[in-house]
Amino acid sequence: DTGVSQDPRHKITKRGQNVTFRCDPISEHNRLYWYRQTLGQGPEFLTYFQNEAQLEKSRLLSDRFSAERPKGSFSTLEIQRTEQGDSAMYLCASSLADVNIQYFGAGTRLSVL
Amino acid sequence: AQKVTQAQTEISVVEKEDVTLDCVYETRDTTYYLFWYKQPPSGELVFLIRRNSFDEQNEISGRYSWNFQKSTSSFNFTITASQVVDSAVYFCALSPRDSGAGSYQLTFGKGTKLSVIP
Repeated sequence: DTGVSQDPRHKITKRGQNVTFRCDPISEHNRLYWYRQTLGQGPEFLTYFQNEAQLEKSRLLSDRFSAERPKGSFSTLEIQRTEQGDSAMYLCASSLADVNIQYFGAGTRLSVL
Repeated sequence: AQKVTQAQTEISVVEKEDVTLDCVYETRDTTYYLFWYKQPPSGELVFLIRRNSFDEQNEISGRYSWNFQKSTSSFNFTITASQVVDSAVYFCALSPRDSGAGSYQLTFGKGTKLSVIP
């Protein structure tokens, strides 16, 4: 039984560099979500896909952030020109459209030096 | 706007004690879902329960029980006879139930860190 998979688990980068994270949802799940979690806080919603369509984006998702889900399966989240404030855990979740239970991956922890 | 408040930042209990984690929510939606997730030190959020706003029945699953009271906008979580393996951060969350084309995004509280001491 394969859960939500995220890669890499950890990423250390220098300020100004671009980074890309990948999320592989549970295979039959058509909804995919990205959240960001900073230390001592709950996860905050970033964006949502139904199949390949990106249907909602949070105000937290600045112009430097872009997400794709090209074939309605895996998704990527790219951060351009990273800033120290981008340091956080980036979590991916997936669900079935008619069963609103989101299952989360282990996350990608980003550290921007 | 939706809001979830978990007033207890950290709780420590001795093994085998019962512990209740509080959750209070605010929403303008007439129908919604409430959730509890567990986040152990490994970092992965583990789904525990989903409750429909229509259903105010309390639920018990093994050592876990949940008390949903719509009148006070609370959805509290009790662990009976706590064990060391229960040590984790627990999050309460809220989402719309009927969102049309909306995302059903989860709004989380800040979490309660539970430490169970042997």
